[in-house]
Amino acid sequence: DQQVKQNSPSLSVQEGRISILNCDYTNSMFDYFLWYKKYPAEGPTFLISISSIKDKNEDGRFTVFLNKSAKHLSLHIVPSQPGDSAVYFCAADGAKNLSGIWDNTNAGKSTFGDGTTLTVKP
Amino acid sequence: DGGITQSPKYLFRKEGQNVTLSCEQNLNHDAMYWYRQDPGQGLRLIYYSQIVNDFQKGDIAEGYSVSREKKESFPLTVTSAQKNPTAFYLCASITTGWGNTEAFFGQGTRLTVV
Repeated sequence: DQQVKQNSPSLSVQEGRISILNCDYTNSMFDYFLWYKKYPAEGPTFLISISSIKDKNEDGRFTVFLNKSAKHLSLHIVPSQPGDSAVYFCAADGAKNLSGIWDNTNAGKSTFGDGTTLTVKP
Repeated sequence: DGGITQSPKYLFRKEGQNVTLSCEQNLNHDAMYWYRQDPGQGLRLIYYSQIVNDFQKGDIAEGYSVSREKKESFPLTVTSAQKNPTAFYLCASITTGWGNTEAFFGQGTRLTVV
């Protein structure tokens, strides 16, 4: 059972418009969420993250929103640029065990979605 | 079942020792990646390989070395030059096609320096 899902394999937007990439998760123990960006022939690189104690984190053109009740997060890119064309991965991290206690053996272990390919057209 | 296998799951190293982390895949993927993750941080790319006998440095390659002698295997050596090697190490394989991307990650190796 996939715990982190990106239901849209691809997204195409016009330059200057907003890109919205979505991600859903099922495990309520996840408490840290991350987005990665991957260009062809390169490894994924970290983009932005959000802790479960927040509902929004902004970094320049990139904003991540977290809706814990819906177990949903989204990445907004405004305005979109052609250089943003890449694959975007959502990831979730949970360092608490089933008893809700911090467990160092789980710290730093992320579960990834399958990715969404974003194409920004000039 | 196809997938990526990392071993060992836990590894302890004495200061000054080199250790090698194993990553094997039977997915027939050309590209493989090594990441390091520290608590509260995202994955940081160490090395990646797009094809056999070729590999490239990532963002934090210093103190690490890799080899890619065959498609199925991409071992990572943490050398004594790596000043802060205690971390969680993740191996990955990602394929990107037209609108279809698949990401496969190993279960990870937790390295602790004692």
